Amino acid sequence: EVQLVESGGRLGRPGGSLRLSCVASGFTFGNFAMSWVRQAPGKGLEWLSIISASGDTAYYIDSVRGRFTISRDNSKNTLYLEMNSLRAEDTAVYYCARAAGTIAFGGVIGDHFDSWGQGTLVPVSP
Amino acid sequence: TQLTPSPSFLSASVGDRVTITCRASQGFNSFLAWYQQKPGKAPKLLIYGESTLQNGVPSRFSGSVSGAIFTLTISSLQPEDFATYYCQQLNNGPPPFTFGPGTKVEI
Repeated sequence: EVQLVESGGRLGRPGGSLRLSCVASGFTFGNFAMSWVRQAPGKGLEWLSIISASGDTAYYIDSVRGRFTISRDNSKNTLYLEMNSLRAEDTAVYYCARAAGTIAFGGVIGDHFDSWGQGTLVPVSP
Repeated sequence: TQLTPSPSFLSASVGDRVTITCRASQGFNSFLAWYQQKPGKAPKLLIYGESTLQNGVPSRFSGSVSGAIFTLTISSLQPEDFATYYCQQLNNGPPPFTFGPGTKVEI
């Protein structure tokens, strides 16, 4: 059974940093691109970033590019999101998700997300 | 790319046939998926590639596309189907992935 378990969510301060982790099990982690998606309280889903299976290629949404960094350690079956220069509008539940599908772009393969973690809450407040 | 769902809120009864649409601002060469999310839970993939049912998803769910309009149909609404439904698109190329604002299906 595919399992994704996020951790690291805690109160963040504006301008501060946090690192989220997502531990995967039940599948060959190094074969899949992985993404982070967030959901602000009472709002919809917002895709943030995706990283290729090898970790060589990453894409970001404009609002987090330069502030957030996605990475992975395939030897530890773990996906990371380094969040810097936090803003109040970064307050959200952060989900990791496994990419699936056959569309390939710049080393990343996937056009949808077939497995999701339970999410980890990051409130950002002074 | 923008996704405009229709409707944003839907009131229905058990047994109803429910149709939710997403209009993509760029409909060509798009790859669209549908997700179901219940309060406090992670999204769950229902349909990908516009019309392919994810393993384990009941056959009452179906997806279709006509031009730039993508449709999710629930043929006979069940009590466990009351949730929010999101469409998600990737155009034929690099990200971003785009989620629609969601359609909430309530009793």
